[in-house]
Amino acid sequence: AQKITQTQPGMFVQEKEAVTLDCTYDTSDPSYGLFWYKQPSSGEMIFLIYQGSYDQQNATEGRYSLNFQKARKSANLVISASQLGDSAMYFCAMIQRNYGQNFVFGPGTRLSVLP
Amino acid sequence: KAGVTQTPRYLIKTRGQQVTLSCSPISGHRSVSWYQQTPGQGLQFLFEYFSETQRNKGNFPGRFSGRQFSNSRSEMNVSTLELGDSALYLCASRAGGPEAFFGQGTRLTVV
Repeated sequence: AQKITQTQPGMFVQEKEAVTLDCTYDTSDPSYGLFWYKQPSSGEMIFLIYQGSYDQQNATEGRYSLNFQKARKSANLVISASQLGDSAMYFCAMIQRNYGQNFVFGPGTRLSVLP
Repeated sequence: KAGVTQTPRYLIKTRGQQVTLSCSPISGHRSVSWYQQTPGQGLQFLFEYFSETQRNKGNFPGRFSGRQFSNSRSEMNVSTLELGDSALYLCASRAGGPEAFFGQGTRLTVV
């Protein structure tokens, strides 16, 4: 089965604090990639970060880091120093080599940053 | 460098009509994928085109079709619209690596 689970429908965080958004995945394909996308109310999906299944180090992109725990099949997104502009929907997604290049998306987490 | 452009941004159609959505990928990107986003079903893969050929297809009825032109621009067509087709339709382009870049989407409302 190919599935992405995001157990937090909504999260609140105080401005300037760090927040972790959870993502677990299920795949039998040894070669896969994990992504996080941000979707503001405008609708566009904004690429944040990518982690390949064979990457040894956790991915980082500015304030975003991905806590990749392969044995637990989890790929949590950590946002450091939250900003008001971080308020949006966040989607965890997966592609698998043996299932084409199409994304399987999780249900998303709505993050609200409080001033 | 221009991003992924989807037109139109908003559409209102009547049940039974057909609709065509357009997606222009980032220059040099040859892969274009389409996704449907609804509150109930979330984000679901429709199909992917690469060099004018459909490379992959999701689990949608035959009313949903697409094509890709030689300049990599892609169109998606939905015939005999149903109320349940109301959704945000997102297009993504890819150069060859795993990263995909999305457009702002076309919000389709079927009344």
